[in-house]
Amino acid sequence: GQNIDQPTEMTATEGAIVQINCTYQTSGFNGLFWYQQHAGEAPTFLSYNVLDGLEEKGRFSSFLSRSKGYSYLLLKELQMKDSASYLCAVLRGTYKYIFGTGTRLKVLA
Amino acid sequence: GAVVSQHPSRVICKSGTSVKIECRSLDFQATTMFWYRQFPKQSLMLMATSNEGSKATYEQGVEKDKFLINHASLTLSTLTVTSAHPEDSSFYICSAYDRVGSTEAFFGQGTRLTVV
Repeated sequence: GQNIDQPTEMTATEGAIVQINCTYQTSGFNGLFWYQQHAGEAPTFLSYNVLDGLEEKGRFSSFLSRSKGYSYLLLKELQMKDSASYLCAVLRGTYKYIFGTGTRLKVLA
Repeated sequence: GAVVSQHPSRVICKSGTSVKIECRSLDFQATTMFWYRQFPKQSLMLMATSNEGSKATYEQGVEKDKFLINHASLTLSTLTVTSAHPEDSSFYICSAYDRVGSTEAFFGQGTRLTVV
C-alpha cells in the first residue's frame, strides 16, 4: 500500500531552524516533493528531490535518502509568514502525486 | 510560473443540488488535469485524472457518477458534484503541468464547497 508519514504539528521560534521529516513507502517512485500550503489556499511548490542528497533553495533545503524512504525539509531563519502546512508528496509514474498528511508549522515570535 | 485558475473560490449549496467547479490553465495548454479533495486538517487526496477529449480516470472509492469530470478543451476541466450532500463539503483543488515532462504541478486556488 501507499504510506507517507509526517509529524502532525511542529512549533518553532522566529529566526530558528526547523526540520520537517517525511517517511514513505510507495510502489513506484519518481521523485519527492515539498509543498507549502496556507490555510484555505492552494499548495505552492517549494522543492523536490529525485536523487539522494541535499537540494538547497535559499532558506529552504530538502534532503532525500531513497534507500531509507526518508526525506526532510529544512527551513532556516524562520519568519512568521512561514507558519503554514508543509506537504510531502511522492510522484508515482509520470504525473500522479501521493500526498502525505501534512505538517502544520507554527512560528512564534 | 504557470497559472491555474479555479472558480468559484467558495460556494454554498443546498443538499440535493449540483455544483460545477471550473479549472482553467491560463497561459498554457494542459492535456491532463487533476482533481483533489481535502478535508479539514487532512492532506490532499487525488480524486481523478481529467484527460482532454476522453474519459476521466477515477481513483478507487471515488464515485464517477457523483463527481462528473469534463475536459472539453486544452485549457478547461470541470468537476460537477451531483446531488450534493453535507458529507461532500470539502476543499476541492485542481492541478496541471505546464508542459510534457515537467515534474512541478501548478495548483488552482481551490474551491471551498459547503453543502447545507
